[in-house]
Amino acid sequence: QVQLVQSGAEVKKPGASVKVSCKVSGHTLAELSMHWVRQAPGKGLEWMGGFDPEDGETIYAQKFQGRVIMTEDTSIDTAYMDLNSLRSEDTAVYYCAVVGPSLGYYYRYGLDVWGQGTTVTVSS
Amino acid sequence: QSALTQSRSVSGSPGQSVTISCTGTSSDVGGYNYVSWYQQHPGKAPKLMIYDVSKRPSGVPDRFSGSKSGNTASLTISGLQAEDEADYYCCSYAGSSPYVFGTGTKVSVL
Repeated sequence: QVQLVQSGAEVKKPGASVKVSCKVSGHTLAELSMHWVRQAPGKGLEWMGGFDPEDGETIYAQKFQGRVIMTEDTSIDTAYMDLNSLRSEDTAVYYCAVVGPSLGYYYRYGLDVWGQGTTVTVSS
Repeated sequence: QSALTQSRSVSGSPGQSVTISCTGTSSDVGGYNYVSWYQQHPGKAPKLMIYDVSKRPSGVPDRFSGSKSGNTASLTISGLQAEDEADYYCCSYAGSSPYVFGTGTKVSVL
């Protein structure tokens, strides 16, 4: 089955950038719609962006436009989320997630396979 | 796109039923039949419990059920069990934003 394994925790200073990776196993990344969701301490889930298979392009939540870039290296089935100009409010757990074959890969249904999460701490 | 509105917390005794509501607008919950629900235990990744308003992924107990009326979706947990104590988030497709999450509801088992 599809599994997602994310890179380890990061500590960054304000103004820096962070790049989180998400390795796909059990499936080909090119056939999946990869998305990124974050969760600040004690707060709710927040969708950041992901691949829209209907338009064939990556889309971003308005809040993160211009500050985040999501890329994929399909040769190694790994997705990346690059967030720049970090500030303390970006301290959060960042998750990659997809809708897998059990839901027919239909991304509107929701996200049924999640990575374990990557903690990013922004502190001076 | 604003977060969907959920009650902050709900509680029940083992065996009882609890219902969590999720209110959006005609641009998200009311406009599409693509509501999903997630369960999240502390320190864990979210788990999909309901998709397509009322469908359960394989392995999710039938104690969990979903419904929708107008701009409000609901998740009902029947026969509440200790392991159901967790945070629950609704989520709706909203066109340009495929995943708009709710504010989250903490379910406590008394």
